[in-house]
Amino acid sequence: QVQLQESGPGLVKPSETLSLTCTVSGGSITTYYWSWIRQPPGKGLEWIGYIYSSGSTNYNPSLKSRVTISVDTSKNQFSLKLNSVTAADTAVYYCARTTHGSSTSWNFDYWGPGTLVTVSS
Amino acid sequence: QSVLTQPPSVSGAPGQRVTISCTGSSSNIGARYDVHWYQQLPGTAPKLLIYDNNNRPSGVPDRFSGSKSGTSASLAITGLQAEDEADYYCQSYDSSLSAYVLFGGGTKLTVL
Repeated sequence: QVQLQESGPGLVKPSETLSLTCTVSGGSITTYYWSWIRQPPGKGLEWIGYIYSSGSTNYNPSLKSRVTISVDTSKNQFSLKLNSVTAADTAVYYCARTTHGSSTSWNFDYWGPGTLVTVSS
Repeated sequence: QSVLTQPPSVSGAPGQRVTISCTGSSSNIGARYDVHWYQQLPGTAPKLLIYDNNNRPSGVPDRFSGSKSGTSASLAITGLQAEDEADYYCQSYDSSLSAYVLFGGGTKLTVL
C-alpha cells in the first residue's frame, strides 16, 4: 500500500520561501506523476503542480512564477518550494500520487494526511 | 482561469438519493477530459471516490456513481447514510491557455 507523508516547517514568515517534502513509502516513485495540492482553511482544493519521476513539471498558471517542484528518486521523495509567500498562502498542503491513465485522465489516487502551513510574522 | 462549478451544499434524509452537479466548459469537461470525484470527511485528506467519470476504486460502495455528458458531470449517492456527510469535489483537466488540473469549488453534503 502506497503511503505519502508531508514534512516541513509549520510556520513561515511573509516574503520568505515555503519548503515541504513528501516521502513516498510502499512503492517506487518512478513511473508516476506526483502532485502538490493545497486547501486554505475552510476553502476548497487548489492544485499547485506535478512532477514526473524523470523531473518534468507542470504548474498551476496562477502560481507558476513562485513554484518549484523537484524530485529525488534515490530518497523516494519530492519537494515543493513556494517563494514570496503571503498570508494568502496559509493552507493545508497535501502531496498526492497522480495517475495519468490515458491522454484525458489525470487523478489523485493516494494522498498524504496533509500539513498545515501558516504564513505569519 | 476556467472553473468547475458545483452547488455549495446539498442535503438529503437517510435512505434517499442525492446528486451533485459539476459544470465545466469546452476547454475541460467538454474537451473530453475525464472527471473524477473526491470525498473529504471532516479533518481528513480527500479520498478518490470516482475516477474516469464512472469508475469506482476498490472498496468504494456501489451506492456512489458518476456520469458525464457534454460540459457537465454528476455524482449520485443512493441509500444515503449518516457517514456520507462530507465535502465532495469534482476534478478534471483544462487545456485553455495552458494545460492544468482543475478542481470544483466543493459541495457540502448534509444528511438530515
